[in-house]
Amino acid sequence: DAKTTQPPSMDCAEGRAANLPCNHSTISGNEYVYWYRQIHSQGPQYIIHGLKNNETNEMASLIITEDRKSSTLILPHATLRDTAVYYCITMEYGNKLVFGAGTILRVKS
Amino acid sequence: GAVVSQHPSWVICKSGTSVKIECRSLDFQATTMFWYRQFPKQSLMLMATSNEGSKATYEQGVEKDKFLINHASLTLSTLTVTSAHPEDSSFYICSALIPGLAADTQYFGPGTRLTVL
Repeated sequence: DAKTTQPPSMDCAEGRAANLPCNHSTISGNEYVYWYRQIHSQGPQYIIHGLKNNETNEMASLIITEDRKSSTLILPHATLRDTAVYYCITMEYGNKLVFGAGTILRVKS
Repeated sequence: GAVVSQHPSWVICKSGTSVKIECRSLDFQATTMFWYRQFPKQSLMLMATSNEGSKATYEQGVEKDKFLINHASLTLSTLTVTSAHPEDSSFYICSALIPGLAADTQYFGPGTRLTVL
């Protein structure tokens, strides 16, 4: 079973920042937080991952709370092409990804 | 990011026939690959872990004799659905693992849509 909780859906205006929350209150010290997204009828796309420090790459930023019980994925300037299902997954090194239901993000013009 | 391809992207077959799906890592070598299945409006479910040069590890409830996995090289894993039936119709997705110093990252293929008539 997935060990994260995400809102089922969110809307975001095009050009605005999309902030996707994830609760992982039972995360262990060795588990990383991974974010993937899946655009309709495609394979999941890796976005970012982190352990306890905030991370940023060309796609997004990941903010992890100090107690590591929750995190937020930030898409700084959402476009229509960012409409997808976003999955937040916690995983320990050497283990397997377990996908939950994710958050459907709808970016609207 | 790393590129993973799948072939074919879609396939339609008759009930009782076998279908082979290929998964290739294009710009890196992958000792470990994974096979997932996704039914409409559902999330991805891991079917098996494919390790180069050894037998695949199947998740509970997945029939290893029905879903044959071969990982004969560091860039290719194949999934063969044997004696396919309409209930095997699904979206099959593979991923390849890039190990890191402290964390691994999986990169996914585009998926193969299987329809069994």
